[in-house]
Amino acid sequence: EVQLVESGGGLVQPGGSLRLSCAASGFSFSNYWMSWVRQAPGKGLVWVSRVYTDGGMTTYADSVKGRFTISRDNAKNTLYLQMNRLTVDDTAIYYCARATREGNGDLGYWGQGTLVTVSS
Amino acid sequence: TVVTQEPSLSVSPGGTVTLTCGLSSGSVSTTNYASWFQQTPGQAPRTLIYSTNSRSSGVPDRFSGSILGNKAALIITEVQADDESDYYCVLHMDDGVYVFGTGTTVTVL
Repeated sequence: EVQLVESGGGLVQPGGSLRLSCAASGFSFSNYWMSWVRQAPGKGLVWVSRVYTDGGMTTYADSVKGRFTISRDNAKNTLYLQMNRLTVDDTAIYYCARATREGNGDLGYWGQGTLVTVSS
Repeated sequence: TVVTQEPSLSVSPGGTVTLTCGLSSGSVSTTNYASWFQQTPGQAPRTLIYSTNSRSSGVPDRFSGSILGNKAALIITEVQADDESDYYCVLHMDDGVYVFGTGTTVTVL
């Protein structure tokens, strides 16, 4: 069974940093694109970033480009999102997602999310 | 780029509802690899459809995806009470990024 468990969320001040993790199990992690999606309270889903199987290719939404870095450790079956220079607009539940199948870069399986609150 | 969806739709139990996903400029095609997601309050999204018309594992065949005119579409037939949810589409863009639609709230009356 595919399982994705996010962690690392919490309260951080504007301008601060946070690193999210997503522990994956139940599938061959290194064979799948992985992504991050966020959702501000009461708002819609927003795609954030994705990373290729070997970590060598990454893509970002304009709203986080230059501030967020997606990475993965295939030996640890873990996806990361390093978030720097956080603003109140980054407050959201952050979901990690696995692609639907090998070779696809889309969003298939979702974790339950971790809440990031940026506030002074 | 703005991905547009109907803000809300209502349907009677047993009926059919069609949700659409369009682009503020241009047409949606199969190269946008449209996906559709269902989300109920407090829950993570659930993938229903990917690559325009492929159904995710475990999704009933009452849910189907297609291209209708210049938009992607999610068609739900034989609507049930527990289909009442928010539905989001996402499109893959030429520069490799994905953009979510604004979401549609489906109410089963």
